Amino acid sequence: AQSVTQLGSHVSVSEGALVLLRCNYSSSVPPYLFWYVQYPNQGLQLLLKYTSAATLVKGINGFEAEFKKSETSFHLTKPSAHMSDAAEYFCAVSVAGFQKLVFGTGTRLLVSP
Amino acid sequence: ETGVTQSPTHLIKTRGQQVTLRCSSQSGHNTVSWYQQALGQGPQFIFQYYREEENGRGNFPPRFSGLQFPNYSSELNVNALELDDSALYLCASSWGQGEPSGYGYTFGSGTRLTVV
Repeated sequence: AQSVTQLGSHVSVSEGALVLLRCNYSSSVPPYLFWYVQYPNQGLQLLLKYTSAATLVKGINGFEAEFKKSETSFHLTKPSAHMSDAAEYFCAVSVAGFQKLVFGTGTRLLVSP
Repeated sequence: ETGVTQSPTHLIKTRGQQVTLRCSSQSGHNTVSWYQQALGQGPQFIFQYYREEENGRGNFPPRFSGLQFPNYSSELNVNALELDDSALYLCASSWGQGEPSGYGYTFGSGTRLTVV
């Protein structure tokens, strides 16, 4: 079965600082990995996805993530945080042939001025 | 192209009642997936519909049921509501059965269900 673990339920950064949100996955077959963002009272917006092509994936709003098979990780980064980045971030995994997307428990990003 | 529309946006029901939530899929999408997101948790897969047939189900009891219509819109029905059913219910549409889940998902904004 597939699963993801997001380390840190809350991450606080200052505006302009590096953002690093951690995600480790577990899968017995090659995974597809995703990062979603959720703003208050809204649905999920796809930030980026890894589907076995390039290991460094660039997404929207300046975010990127690197797939590291040896570490079973897919951490999300952004060089410089903006106030508008404050939201809940979810890492998710799926595999070919399965219908469901398995989400982590989320990390709330807090950005201070 | 239009996105995914869910209705209603908020709903309050009493324990034991039944509820129907609706989802209009994005134009061109033929697959609808439903997820339950409890407060402070990640979304949990309920089930998926592809061309009007259930195409996979998560660990939810039979009182959670669904439908998909010829225009690919969908309903989620929950019978005998329990307090723990209080959650944000998210609908996601996509194209095709063969792609890995989430590959081309478009999520709606969700329906917030409160059971009292």
